[in-house]
Amino acid sequence: DVQMTQSPSYLAASPGESVFISCKASKSISNYLAWYQQKPGEANKLLIYSGSTLQSGTPSRFSGSGSGTDFTLTIRNLEPEDFAVYYCQQYYEKPLTFGSGTKLEIK
Amino acid sequence: EIQLQESGPGLVKPSQSLSLTCSVTGYTITSGYDWSWIRKFPGNKMEWMGYISYSGSTNYNPSLKSRISITRDTSKNQFFLQLNSVTTEDTATYYCARGGGPHYFDYWGQGVMVTVSS
Repeated sequence: DVQMTQSPSYLAASPGESVFISCKASKSISNYLAWYQQKPGEANKLLIYSGSTLQSGTPSRFSGSGSGTDFTLTIRNLEPEDFAVYYCQQYYEKPLTFGSGTKLEIK
Repeated sequence: EIQLQESGPGLVKPSQSLSLTCSVTGYTITSGYDWSWIRKFPGNKMEWMGYISYSGSTNYNPSLKSRISITRDTSKNQFFLQLNSVTTEDTATYYCARGGGPHYFDYWGQGVMVTVSS
């Protein structure tokens, strides 16, 4: 299985700041990587796929980069609604696997 | 608008079977895509469990292969999860989602929490 190592597991930031979340794959997954946002009581939201393509409706302050084994989710100019849990997921091969999650909290 | 909604019992006894339903609106599950079950354990680890394709074929995570079954009722536009011989380690929030084969998941349900306890 492709192991996805996500860091940090916890991140505290203030509105207006920028944050970076890392996701590393145990083997090359090309750009078959997605990022999700998870909030309590809401359906998980697909933010980015193919490593860097924004899903329709994703604000432009979100961006994704990387290919191969190293990927980064960047959120610039944090808004209050951005404080949530974020996951990466590889879909290069089955079984599909997820990172361990990053909880982004308000400082 | 595509929506998915999970339903089923919130408490299951050890050694019994866990059965969940995913009801889909806004898209016909036989029109395309794969339809997956995913779970999140306490502590936030996420696990893809398996999917049923639009054609009815299935694919399961090898870690669950002997215990899992995903089926569907096309007349109701629903698909189902059955997980046999559950233990307390199957306590999790269970999600259904569109995607899986291999693909990202573009629509999710809100999830249903299932506790395995006597």
